Amino acid sequence: GAGVSQSPSNKVTEKGKDVELRCDPISGHTALYWYRQSLGQGLEFLIYFQGNSAPDKSGLPSDRFSAERTGGSVSTLTIQRTQQEDSAVYLCASSPGQGGGNTIYFGEGSWLTVV
Amino acid sequence: DQQVKQNSPSLSVQEGRISILNCDYTNSMFDYFLWYKKYPAEGPTFLISISSIKDKNEDGRFTVFLNKSAKHLSLHIVPSQPGDSAVYFCAASDAGGATNKLIFGTGTLLAVQP
Repeated sequence: GAGVSQSPSNKVTEKGKDVELRCDPISGHTALYWYRQSLGQGLEFLIYFQGNSAPDKSGLPSDRFSAERTGGSVSTLTIQRTQQEDSAVYLCASSPGQGGGNTIYFGEGSWLTVV
Repeated sequence: DQQVKQNSPSLSVQEGRISILNCDYTNSMFDYFLWYKKYPAEGPTFLISISSIKDKNEDGRFTVFLNKSAKHLSLHIVPSQPGDSAVYFCAASDAGGATNKLIFGTGTLLAVQP
């Protein structure tokens, strides 16, 4: 597609349930990122994938969070045993390639509400 | 440790006047800087960038200034328009590093009054 696509756009889940958020990056982009923005906060880095390299997971807040990127394209962010503090908008972004200087392009986000 | 700081959470400007949004960073390895604009319920959109080899980059009404010695950058919008009202995020990366991870500031909400 023309842009980064994320699904679902909105998700309400009960505390303790698992959720999966999906991201389709821009075609041809080898780098993929997950960020999140909690209410009133900035953009918090979660994880970064580049080609076949090991992902940079340094931003994942706990072991309840994990992400996969299959076939170098689609990525899934999984949050297990959700907590209310996980409520946020989860933003996926992609960029053309490795190394600095590349602009990253964001999707519309997946709005997660844990009740 | 907040490596990228936007100390003004909000800014209000009259239409037609200049808007100046500020950003400070602490990591001397950062050498590529970007500004993103975010409307409510939308993802951030890229606005303008600057490499550390420059001290100014201009694109239409938007100009980014970089002061490396002060570890400070600013975004100037002139003339400001009501449609510019949004949250503006500053971001930085170590372009010479192995990854392209962007570190974002907390954002500044710009309100342009008609």
